[in-house]
Amino acid sequence: GIQVEQSPPDLILQEGANSTLRCNFSDSVNNLQWFHQNPWGQLINLFYIPSGTKQNGRLSATTVATERYSLLYISSSQTTDSGVYFCAVRMDSSYKLIFGSGTRLLVRP
Amino acid sequence: DTGVSQNPRHKITKRGQNVTFRCDPISEHNRLYWYRQTLGQGPEFLTYFQNEAQLEKSRLLSDRFSAERPKGSFSTLEIQRTEQGDSAMYLCASSFAVVGSNQPQHFGDGTRLSIL
Repeated sequence: GIQVEQSPPDLILQEGANSTLRCNFSDSVNNLQWFHQNPWGQLINLFYIPSGTKQNGRLSATTVATERYSLLYISSSQTTDSGVYFCAVRMDSSYKLIFGSGTRLLVRP
Repeated sequence: DTGVSQNPRHKITKRGQNVTFRCDPISEHNRLYWYRQTLGQGPEFLTYFQNEAQLEKSRLLSDRFSAERPKGSFSTLEIQRTEQGDSAMYLCASSFAVVGSNQPQHFGDGTRLSIL
């Protein structure tokens, strides 16, 4: 089956720093979503981005489907950005999302 | 805009007991999904409904697990004869099916199950 790999697995930032999270996937996909799971376990939709670039405030994401990767950019990080960031993909053959193992982000004040 | 609602938020039960969780999707969404998340891992797909039809099931969904969506609205997930390994967060998601277009899945806050 399709493999979804996220890097780095863990990241510690000082408040105000910028970061880039990466998601690689091993097969063609028709859907890619980025989520933030906060310390209370809530999965928050960040982006639905099967291809192209989107921006939402301090966050932006780029997916290059032909090269099978997506990037999530966090600028001017805040302590509330702490949590786990998941990338999830969907293939044509199924409606299920397949999640990566996440990047655990800690932003220190 | 009401999001996906899951009840209960937490469930603690003894090994061997049966448990049932409920999920109410976003009202216009006709697709509903169940996922399970164990500590330190990403969510894993369990099953998917389009309206009332259960169209896909994971091998993770053993015969002790059953899911229903009788009227194409809310769904229930039942686990019979619970085991220690069933301890996890159970997440429900929903999406709106549009012919020729993919739509994102929206997740509820989950039900955290602890087996004593």
